[in-house]
Amino acid sequence: ELKVEQNPLFLSMQEGKNYTIYCNYSTTSDRLYWYRQDPGKSLESLFVLLSNGAVKQEGRLMASLDTKARLSTLHITAAVHDLSATYFCAVDPGNYGGSQGNLIFGKGTKLSVKP
Amino acid sequence: NAGVTQTPKFRILKIGQSMTLQCAQDMNHNYMYWYRQDPGMGLKLIYYSVGAGITDKGEVPNGYNVSRSTTEDFPLRLELAAPSQTSVYFCASSPRDKQFFGPGTRLTVL
Repeated sequence: ELKVEQNPLFLSMQEGKNYTIYCNYSTTSDRLYWYRQDPGKSLESLFVLLSNGAVKQEGRLMASLDTKARLSTLHITAAVHDLSATYFCAVDPGNYGGSQGNLIFGKGTKLSVKP
Repeated sequence: NAGVTQTPKFRILKIGQSMTLQCAQDMNHNYMYWYRQDPGMGLKLIYYSVGAGITDKGEVPNGYNVSRSTTEDFPLRLELAAPSQTSVYFCASSPRDKQFFGPGTRLTVL
């Protein structure tokens, strides 16, 4: 059974600081996704990582994937209040040819950025 | 494009009642999914479909049924509602990789 673990589950940080959220998974996969969810809202796709060594950046967020270590990271640079949200990673256990997009989600990291 | 739409937004059911959660997408995506999200948790896949007429079970299918008669619509049926089905339900669609989520339906079973 594929398990996806995120840590930390809660993160309180000050504006301007850097931090990293970790996503470990228990089986081989080369397809990993990061989503953002604001309170009471739906999920918004942030990054799609489809190969070992993939790195993607959008604004103050950068995501990377190491399929050999079964680890993805979401790095936050110089945090601002607007980044406060819950961040989920999700892993597709199928390889590309056989994938049907059945994502397994982590429990999420609730990020709070304080002035 | 409206994207992925879900109705209703909120619903309260009594134990044993049935209902259908509606989901529609106008992006011509083949893949569609139903997830539930319990408080403080990630999403769990209930059912998915890779195209009209094709559906399959996800991680937590018990107590639910789906159908996919058209590319656009993917309704989720709850039969004999139970308190354990109190949750927020999200529908999503995908062309293959990135999933687009609907706004969710908050369901309470009392």
